Amino acid sequence: NAGVMQNPRHLVRRRGQEARLRCSPMKGHSHVYWYRQLPEEGLKFMVYLQKENIIDESGMPKERFSAEFPKEGPSILRIQQVVRGDSAAYFCASSEGVAGAYNEQFFGPGTRLTVL
Amino acid sequence: GESVGLHLPTLSVQEGDNSIINCAYSNSASDYFIWYKQESGKGPQFIIDIRSNMDKRQGQRVTVLLNKTVKHLSLQIAATQPGDSAVYFCAEEGSGGSYIPTFGRGTSLIVHP
Repeated sequence: NAGVMQNPRHLVRRRGQEARLRCSPMKGHSHVYWYRQLPEEGLKFMVYLQKENIIDESGMPKERFSAEFPKEGPSILRIQQVVRGDSAAYFCASSEGVAGAYNEQFFGPGTRLTVL
Repeated sequence: GESVGLHLPTLSVQEGDNSIINCAYSNSASDYFIWYKQESGKGPQFIIDIRSNMDKRQGQRVTVLLNKTVKHLSLQIAATQPGDSAVYFCAEEGSGGSYIPTFGRGTSLIVHP
């Protein structure tokens, strides 16, 4: 089992460009979560998706950010018209069922986004 | 608002010493707690968890203590090794099976050989 995979590992964008971050969950996992981590801070929840559905996007900015988890293929976190404040590490996690005491979340290695 | 935080941002220890990393939480309804280890350039890795109906749980070289009275969580690492150097986060999950863990800021553990 390859674990949670994210790509690219590093992404550089200029202000105003679009950033697309991909996450392939562990085999058999249908629950995906996206988090953002600023330097020297903890992870902040952004969005929780289950195949083809957004379950909870309460942590995601209303503007410029979107996420999807199609029936086939990886989950995508899309940031339009990036600004310098979007620079951060973005982590994806997956779980077999709804995360909690009975379903561990497994984290990917993250994508480090730098906005110039 | 509710928050999870750590008392010390950096902890330096000598190899072989025992390490204790502390965490305070404010949501008394939280019923599940997790400690994660994050090495440089990597994602968080689960270390150990504990439910609110327990006050202690042991793993291999690690022990988590939960004091619900003062809303305090600690991670003890026995015989700390250089490979333990990382940032450690505590996270709490609320009651009712909430799936959104709230992460603390993290403590950087530095182990000197």
